[in-house]
Amino acid sequence: DAKTTQPTSMDCAEGRAANLPCNHSTISGNEYVYWYRQIHSQGPQYIIHGLKNNETNEMASLIITEDRKSSTLILPHATLRDTAVYYCIVRPPEGDDKIIFGKGTRLHILP
Amino acid sequence: EPEVTQTPSHQVTQMGQEVILRCVPISNHLYFYWYRQILGQKVEFLVSFYNNEISEKSEIFDDQFSVERPDGSNFTLKIRSTKLEDSAMYFCASKKAWSATEQYFGPGTRLTVT
Repeated sequence: DAKTTQPTSMDCAEGRAANLPCNHSTISGNEYVYWYRQIHSQGPQYIIHGLKNNETNEMASLIITEDRKSSTLILPHATLRDTAVYYCIVRPPEGDDKIIFGKGTRLHILP
Repeated sequence: EPEVTQTPSHQVTQMGQEVILRCVPISNHLYFYWYRQILGQKVEFLVSFYNNEISEKSEIFDDQFSVERPDGSNFTLKIRSTKLEDSAMYFCASKKAWSATEQYFGPGTRLTVT
């Protein structure tokens, strides 16, 4: 089972920052936080991952709390194409290689 | 940018028939996966494959399912005798190396069993 809790859905206005929260209170010391998204009728797409430091790439920023029990994915300037289901996933760095998807957060970007 | 491709995009079959779903992973990737997503439900792991062997399989991946890498480019999922409940989107994914962090997913094949 997924080890994360996410809101079922969220809305965000186009051009604004979308902040997607995730709780992972049982995360282990060596487990990473990953974010994937799934645009309607497409395959999941990797966004970003992190262990304990904040991370940023061309798609998003990931803020992980100091106790690592929660994190926030930030899409800095949301566009309509960012409408998707966003999955927060906790995974070990090696070993168990499969991705366990939860229900994710359905993000609607409003024009 | 290289991408995972899957064919066909949509497959309709009758219950009891065999189907083969095809995937072409990214060319220098070594680890391959199949997932499925029943309409309105979560994406579920089916099987992982490396070095011509199954690495791990889920409870869903029973004797009706098999995977194969028949040549250097294709990765296939076969369902021997399809059931109505096999209707789903099937996603192939690949990863470059064990230490790689990202699995790249294909666009999926929609399987409809009637």
